[in-house]
Amino acid sequence: GQQVMQIPQYQHVQEGEDFTTYCNSSTTLSNIQWYKQRPGGHPVFLIQLVKSGEVKKQKRLTFQFGEAKKNSSLHITATQTTDVGTYFCAGGGGNEKLTFGTGTRLTIIP
Amino acid sequence: EAQVTQNPRYLITVTGKKLTVTCSQNMNHEYMSWYRQDPGLGLRQIYYSMNVEVTDKGDVPEGYKVSRKEKRNFPLILESPSPNQTSLYFCASRLAPSSYNEQFFGPGTRLTVL
Repeated sequence: GQQVMQIPQYQHVQEGEDFTTYCNSSTTLSNIQWYKQRPGGHPVFLIQLVKSGEVKKQKRLTFQFGEAKKNSSLHITATQTTDVGTYFCAGGGGNEKLTFGTGTRLTIIP
Repeated sequence: EAQVTQNPRYLITVTGKKLTVTCSQNMNHEYMSWYRQDPGLGLRQIYYSMNVEVTDKGDVPEGYKVSRKEKRNFPLILESPSPNQTSLYFCASRLAPSSYNEQFFGPGTRLTVL
């Protein structure tokens, strides 16, 4: 079955440093979504990528979908304390299946 | 306000005592699902439903049951809970079954089985 792995599992950064999490699928994806879960909260949808090689930006966040549609990344520039949380990718299989990655937990050192 | 609600938010129980976690959404979504979240394992799907009276197993269905008698409600039933079902549970919904739809999550239910 479809598997989606994320690395790293944890990342500790100084405030102001950049952060990147990577998502890799065992199969070609139709789409990929990214979610953010604040500490003690629930996952909240951030964005969706559909096209091969697609790049989308949301302020300091940059999302990329690989050319082969098997990997994706989320990059945060100049992290702030509000960026703390766990970031999940979720890969779509072209039907109803949406497989979540293992998540990357980001902590910020002020 | 458009939302997914879950109850209870916290539950401590003992092995073998049947329990139900309720889930309700007010967005008229067709698709609903249950996930469990465990450290290092991410979000794993337990069961899902593509519409009323249509349910199917996800990746980790053992020990769980669900029903979808009404569009808005999707309860999760643990007939005989065991300690390995101690976890954080999320109900989620989306407009339609297609994976292209944004998924909305409930606030979570933290379950401890002693």
